[in-house]
Amino acid sequence: AQTVTQSQPEMSVQEAETVTLSCTYDTSESDYYLFWYKQPPSRQMILVIRQEAYKQQNATENRFSVNFQKAAKSFSLKISDSQLGDAAMYFCATAQGAQKLVFGQGTRLTINP
Amino acid sequence: GAGVSQSPSNKVTEKGKDVELRCDPISGHTALYWYRQSLGQGLEFLIYFQGNSAPDKSGLPSDRFSAERTGGSVSTLTIQRTQQEDSAVYLCASSLMTTNLGTIRPQYFGPGTRLLVL
Repeated sequence: AQTVTQSQPEMSVQEAETVTLSCTYDTSESDYYLFWYKQPPSRQMILVIRQEAYKQQNATENRFSVNFQKAAKSFSLKISDSQLGDAAMYFCATAQGAQKLVFGQGTRLTINP
Repeated sequence: GAGVSQSPSNKVTEKGKDVELRCDPISGHTALYWYRQSLGQGLEFLIYFQGNSAPDKSGLPSDRFSAERTGGSVSTLTIQRTQQEDSAVYLCASSLMTTNLGTIRPQYFGPGTRLLVL
């Protein structure tokens, strides 16, 4: 069975600074996908970034990038130039095969102005 | 284009009553998923539809829970004889089908239905 662990229940960062959210996972599959989702108070889960396990290059989306360490089963999210709108719960998730997502417990990110 | 929509946004019911939650996926998305988000359990997978069939319903917590999808579009999640532990946010997501090469498509979520069982 797949498991995802987010060891930081809460994180905070000053506006315009950089913050890294941690995620580790466990899977017996060789081919899988990893995702970071953001959930603001509106409840809507928003896809932030995704990574295919077979790709060695780390995914980037504007101010968001990942550090994917396949051997260590680590998938951290780096947010550069943090903005007030980045405040939300962030969930790490993995998917394989039938695509159902397995989520971590989430990290609540606070941005301090 | 329109995103995933869910109704109702909020639902308050009494213990023992039946409830129906509706999900309208993004047009053209053949895959549809239901998840439950509760304080104690985090985000849990409930059921997955490919078209109108449900190849994976392993996450349904009991036989009080059922779901159907008609016309490859709208899905309804039904909870019979609701219990207080059913209180949670029920999230629906949809995606395009996995490609022939095995590329998994990202899931797009609706705003959820917050269910409170008194």
